Amino acid sequence: QLVLTQSPSASASLGASVKLTCTLSSGHSSYAIAWHQQQPDKGPRYLMKVNSDGSHIKGDGIPDRFSGSSSGAERYLTISSLQSEDEADYYCQTWGTGLWVFGGGTKLTVL
Amino acid sequence: QVQLVQSGAEVKKPGASVKVSCKASGYTFTNFFIHWVRQAPGQGLEWMGWINPHSGGTDYAQKFQGRVTMTRDTSISTASMDLSRLTSDDTAFYYCARESGYQTHFDYWGQGTLVTVSS
Repeated sequence: QLVLTQSPSASASLGASVKLTCTLSSGHSSYAIAWHQQQPDKGPRYLMKVNSDGSHIKGDGIPDRFSGSSSGAERYLTISSLQSEDEADYYCQTWGTGLWVFGGGTKLTVL
Repeated sequence: QVQLVQSGAEVKKPGASVKVSCKASGYTFTNFFIHWVRQAPGQGLEWMGWINPHSGGTDYAQKFQGRVTMTRDTSISTASMDLSRLTSDDTAFYYCARESGYQTHFDYWGQGTLVTVSS
């Protein structure tokens, strides 16, 4: 079964860096994922697609502070030089044959 | 620039149906699938299904089969999602999203439509 697992919460200080993790279920470690950001009271926004080799393709206008990487079944989103507007929910997404799946989301708090 | 603009908030009674629309602009509407995703209050994202605007073909998540219908009108570049037999559990924001290619991620989202089901 295709499942994505995310930690419910994360926190980091203003100006620091944070690395969020999305874990693919067993047997699906070669899958690509996408990261989406949802700021408070807003709809989701596409950030980037991260492939199993760590390469990533960003969406339009996504700052260089956002980057993606991979290791095994884990896909990462790293945000550097944290700003207050980065406080948001972050969802990972993947897809199989006729099926699209989201992780439970990570709520990022900027201290 | 690519934009997906959704219809306004709806309040419905249990047992009723709701139709949410999604108007696309800034790209060729028939070249990209449109998906629908919902988010209950305080909850995560739940995929509902897709429509191919070119052919009108659809596929729905098993949970919604028999209750959801997705359509499109290519003359006005608009996709719609109809959900019937509403219950309070259907109270949620409903989003349309564009699929970037074939069998891949979503790259643009609508602003969301709040559907409230209440007696």
